[in-house]
Formats: sequence, structure tokens, C-alpha cells
Amino acid sequence: AQKVTQAQTEISVVEKEDVTLDCVYETRDTTYYLFWYKQPPSGELVFLIRRNSFDEQNEISGRYSWNFQKSTSSFNFTITASQVVDSAVYFCALSEGFSGGYNKLIFGAGTRLAVHP
Amino acid sequence: DGGITQSPKYLFRKEGQNVTLSCEQNLNHDAMYWYRQDPGQGLRLIYYSQIVNDFQKGDIAEGYSVSREKKESFPLTVTSAQKNPTAFYLCASSPSTGDKNIQYFGAGTRLSVL
Repeated sequence: AQKVTQAQTEISVVEKEDVTLDCVYETRDTTYYLFWYKQPPSGELVFLIRRNSFDEQNEISGRYSWNFQKSTSSFNFTITASQVVDSAVYFCALSEGFSGGYNKLIFGAGTRLAVHP
Repeated sequence: DGGITQSPKYLFRKEGQNVTLSCEQNLNHDAMYWYRQDPGQGLRLIYYSQIVNDFQKGDIAEGYSVSREKKESFPLTVTSAQKNPTAFYLCASSPSTGDKNIQYFGAGTRLSVL
């Protein structure tokens, strides 16, 4: 069965601290995709990153970085030097390939990050 | 600007009433989706549509209905059969070519029961 677990329900940090959001997934497929989305207070989910199961290279985008480890079925997200604008709910999601033009996303429960000045 | 527009932002339903949530996209995406979000939970798929005039049930379709008469539009009706409709509803779309498994979301509709 496919499953995404985000064990951290809420995290609170002070501005400029580094913070890591954990994501552990379960799947039987060899081809799959992992995603991170950000949900700010406005409600809209904002796409951050997609990785496929064949690419374990870590990725860095500005203050954001992602660590994908198939050996531990984890896809963790680190924010360096956090800012108040990073306050949001962050979702990790899993997709197992395609069925025609449709792909099913399995979401974790989300981690609420609060960054205080 | 291209994007997904959901309306209204807030909606109130009376007992026994059907209500319809609007979702319009101008991204020229073929696939569209409706999700429900409850506090402290991830998103759960209600319905999805790959092409016009076709749609499929997701994981929690009971008490909901949809239509897909136009590529741009995918309205969701919350029927009186849905006994616990209070939630945040999100519409999404994805392309059928290129980055076809990236879903893009609207700003959501918050539905409450009076």
C-alpha cells in the first residue's frame, strides 16, 4: 500500500534557524515520484519540487534543499536560515507513475511550520 | 495570468441543501481534480477528470457529484447526502504532456454548515 508519513505535526523555530521537515514513504513500485507542496495561510497549495525514483541527487534551490534517500524511503526538506514568510503547512506527496493523463497523489498529513521573529 | 480560480472563497450550507463549488482553469490542462482537506489531515481525492465528459470517483466520492462539460471547468456539487461537508475544498489541474504529474492548485473554498 502507498503511504506518506510526516511525523512532525508542528514545528516552531525562531527566524534564521535551520529546520528540517521529515517525510517517509511506502510504495511497492520501482517507478514513483515524490513532491513537496507549501500551503501558506491563503490556502493555495504551491508546488515546490518533484523528484523521480531514479534520481537520488540532492537538490538545492536558494534556502531550500531536499535530501532523497531510497535506502530509508525518506525525502526530507530543509529550510536554511528560516524567515517569517516560510510559515506555512508543508505537504509531502507520492505518485506512482501514470494512468493515461491521470496520476494519483497520496499526501502526508502535513507539517505546520511557524517561524517567529 | 494563467491559473486556477475557485469560487466562492467561503460557502455556507443549510441542512438538506445542495451547494456547488466552482473551479475554472485557463492553463489548458486536460486533467482536473477535487480534494477535500480536514484539519490536521492531508488532502483526500474526491473526483478526477482526465478529459471532457469523463470523470472518475476518487477515494471519498460519496455525497458528491461533478460534471466536466468544458475543458476549463470542473464544478463540484456537495449534495445533502454528504453528512459531514464542513471542510476546505481544493481544485487542481495537471497537463497531459510535459510535466504531466505536477498538479497545480486553486486557492480553495471553505464550506461550513449552518
